[in-house]
Amino acid sequence: EIVLTQSPGTLSLSPGERATLSCRSSQSINSNYLAWYQQKPGQAPRLLIYGASSRAIGIPERFGGSGSGTDFTLTISRLEPEDFAVYYCQQYGNSLYTFGQGTKLEIK
Amino acid sequence: EVQLLESGGGLVQPGGSLRLSCAGSGFSFTTYAMNWVRQAPGKGLEWVSRITGGGFTSYADSVKGRFTVSRDNSKNTLYLQVNSLRAEDTAVYFCAKSYYYGSGSSPMDVWGKGTTVIVSS
Repeated sequence: EIVLTQSPGTLSLSPGERATLSCRSSQSINSNYLAWYQQKPGQAPRLLIYGASSRAIGIPERFGGSGSGTDFTLTISRLEPEDFAVYYCQQYGNSLYTFGQGTKLEIK
Repeated sequence: EVQLLESGGGLVQPGGSLRLSCAGSGFSFTTYAMNWVRQAPGKGLEWVSRITGGGFTSYADSVKGRFTVSRDNSKNTLYLQVNSLRAEDTAVYFCAKSYYYGSGSSPMDVWGKGTTVIVSS
């Protein structure tokens, strides 16, 4: 099983600031099959990024993904009030998918 | 509009069983692999199972041998039979559609609102 470790656990920032979230894998992820999701309280997750760096349909340009192999990053260039949520990375590079434990992005 | 609607959750005693359903609409159900993902109260997301359009299945180690995923493409419906339930299976169960059509690896782009399973005596 591929274990994904996200850091930090909680990130406290203000609107307008830049957010950098990390996801580290226990082994190299095939073809950079790494996705990022956003989840707000009481809602289902929303796909933001797939293939490590491709934005899903309708996702604003302020969301960007990067990385390869075992180290991946989600960057939100300029935080909007609606961006405060929990973010999960997920690998789909082998037949047993796994999620990271999540990073909570909270308003400072 | 692409939609997924789960049902079948409820309160069940330890050792009991349930069958969860997920009805899909607005897309060609047969051509997409489908997933179940769960979230325990206050916890993160846990991928549970996946089934391709042709019926190839995979399971997380935590549920293998107890849960069975299936689908009825004629009814555009995904199922999850959950047996031998434990307290740690208490969670919201989401169904989620694969982003890519076909049977290959894929992220999940459309999610249902979830159905809640509570395992308690």
